Amino acid sequence: QKEVEQDPGPLSVPEGAIVSLNCTYSNSAFQYFMWYRQYSRKGPELLMYTYSSGNKEDGRFTAQVDKSSKYISLFIRDSQPSDSATYLCAMRPTGANNLFFGTGTRLTVIP
Amino acid sequence: DTGVSQNPRHKITKRGQNVTFRCDPISEHNRLYWYRQTLGQGPEFLTYFQNEAQLEKSRLLSDRFSAERPKGSFSTLEIQRTEQGDSAMYLCASSPTIFYTFGSGTRLTVV
Repeated sequence: QKEVEQDPGPLSVPEGAIVSLNCTYSNSAFQYFMWYRQYSRKGPELLMYTYSSGNKEDGRFTAQVDKSSKYISLFIRDSQPSDSATYLCAMRPTGANNLFFGTGTRLTVIP
Repeated sequence: DTGVSQNPRHKITKRGQNVTFRCDPISEHNRLYWYRQTLGQGPEFLTYFQNEAQLEKSRLLSDRFSAERPKGSFSTLEIQRTEQGDSAMYLCASSPTIFYTFGSGTRLTVV
């Protein structure tokens, strides 16, 4: 069993829709939770991060962490065609130097 | 400084040949990471440098792989006797803390 599980999709939504992306994990030591966006043939870029449990909002993006359920989510409101990309969740235990990534969910926002 | 630079962007090599990739991190970042990403998967950690010291290596980094970061600046990743299973995107990232900036990667194709 992988430490981080993520539905690979693909996910297609109409422009303006609310998108929900999710990951589950098994390692209770994970304390930092991140979402990266990766466009085709590019490296991942950090979108948002959360330390421990709770919610964080940044513009159209909201990240949620539920440590009791070992479940994290990224919500995108008013989705735009420019949001079309692969979204990767990533997690890091306290004191570790590396990240554990999900497989990524490929999102297409249709104009 | 325009971010993390990786060269070459794409490398095609015959099985059994040696290849070397280069990563130039953001100049003030003392931490440097190498990850490998295969099609449809998230990045997997390979190795981590703090300044010139290689502090951590994944079990994915077989004895055919070697990484260096002389003088704590740029880094190289060499793969000896390439195999078809080495075909992947090799990503470099740098950071001053725990949040990475990734480069665009080197895509390796072994034929």
